[in-house]
Amino acid sequence: DVKVTQSSRYLVKRTGEKVFLECVQDMDHENMFWYRQDPGLGLRLIYFSYDVKMKEKGDIPEGYSVSREKKERFSLILESASTNQTSMYLCASSLWEQGIGYTFGSGTRLTVV
Amino acid sequence: QKEVEQDPGPLSVPEGAIVSLNCTYSNSAFQYFMWYRQYSRKGPELLMYTYSSGNKEDGRFTAQVDKSSKYISLFIRDSQPSDSATYLCAMSEGGNKLVFGAGTILRVKS
Repeated sequence: DVKVTQSSRYLVKRTGEKVFLECVQDMDHENMFWYRQDPGLGLRLIYFSYDVKMKEKGDIPEGYSVSREKKERFSLILESASTNQTSMYLCASSLWEQGIGYTFGSGTRLTVV
Repeated sequence: QKEVEQDPGPLSVPEGAIVSLNCTYSNSAFQYFMWYRQYSRKGPELLMYTYSSGNKEDGRFTAQVDKSSKYISLFIRDSQPSDSATYLCAMSEGGNKLVFGAGTILRVKS
């Protein structure tokens, strides 16, 4: 069974900390994505990557950066965590160009205090 | 105005009811339309997708797209308690970027 694995289910971090969220997929997908999910707002795209070492900004990239050194791994970095970054973070990967066929991880619920 | 509008619910129905979930959108360039189901504490999973207008059926689920009205629907027949989840619509112009609705919480009571 294909999988997208997010390293942590729950994280609590302090304001100002540097936070790393890790995502690994085992499907040899070129495309990987980071979303955040907030009540009433749905999923909002933070960053995505079409290939190793490539990245593109999504709709809400401010306060975030990403790293993709290997095809299977896509990391989301909060350079200096703030309380408004408290959210559910979802990683996804896909192979198809049309945007269908996303496979999501189970999410990381991050709380910044 | 959001690009994709979806009533967040919650929508509560008795077991066996027909459920109708809907989204409206403003971008006429959207061509691919998807429904994702998300159980509590899980990531979304693709339920159905449709290209352009028309209907698509898969078991108890039917997806409809009306591009002239910029309106999509998901119907669930003979709803079951196991259908209780959040349902997210998503759309794409083509390419990899999806735009999601806010999600509708569905509760099916036994």
